[in-house]
Amino acid sequence: AQKVTQAQTEISVVEKEDVTLDCVYETRDTTYYLFWYKQPPSGELVFLIRRNSFDEQNEISGRYSWNFQKSTSSFNFTITASQVVDSAVYFCALTHPPQAGRRALTFGSGTRLQVQP
Amino acid sequence: DGGITQSPKYLFRKEGQNVTLSCEQNLNHDAMYWYRQDPGQGLRLIYYSQIVNDFQKGDIAEGYSVSREKKESFPLTVTSAQKNPTAFYLCASGPGPQYEQYFGPGTRLTVT
Repeated sequence: AQKVTQAQTEISVVEKEDVTLDCVYETRDTTYYLFWYKQPPSGELVFLIRRNSFDEQNEISGRYSWNFQKSTSSFNFTITASQVVDSAVYFCALTHPPQAGRRALTFGSGTRLQVQP
Repeated sequence: DGGITQSPKYLFRKEGQNVTLSCEQNLNHDAMYWYRQDPGQGLRLIYYSQIVNDFQKGDIAEGYSVSREKKESFPLTVTSAQKNPTAFYLCASGPGPQYEQYFGPGTRLTVT
């Protein structure tokens, strides 16, 4: 069985604050893939990052950074110096190679981030 | 422009009617997916297709049907058997199961 938990339902910060969105996953497989997506108010999901289970290097892309820790089964997402345009719902997701059987993403329930000006 | 189109953006139907949601992609992706999203919740998989003429049920397939006659198209029919069809429906495509998916703008279906 696979599961993704995003315990933070909603987070509110003031612009320029740093914010971390938590993601904890469960899987029995050693090979898997983790993703983050952003869903702005328009509704369309936007892909942010993909990480495979063998690559624990942290990644930084502009104001976004991701911390992958297999020891705690976590894949957390940090936004530095948040901006109002970062306001959205953020989803963490998990999938496996085709031979593992399941062929689609398992999504967490999402974290709604509100950045106040 | 490459992408995924869904139409219409908003759809209203009376209870007991079947309705078909359109999804087209020109990204040359083999895999296509349909998700349902209810207010304040995550995405739940309805159906997916890895290749033309083949599709598999997801977690909540009851009351829905799909077809995949062309690589570019993956329409979803919401039948009268779906007990609570009002929701936001998202279509996605991708190169394969372990890769990222690209989403369309969604169709908001309201059934009264």
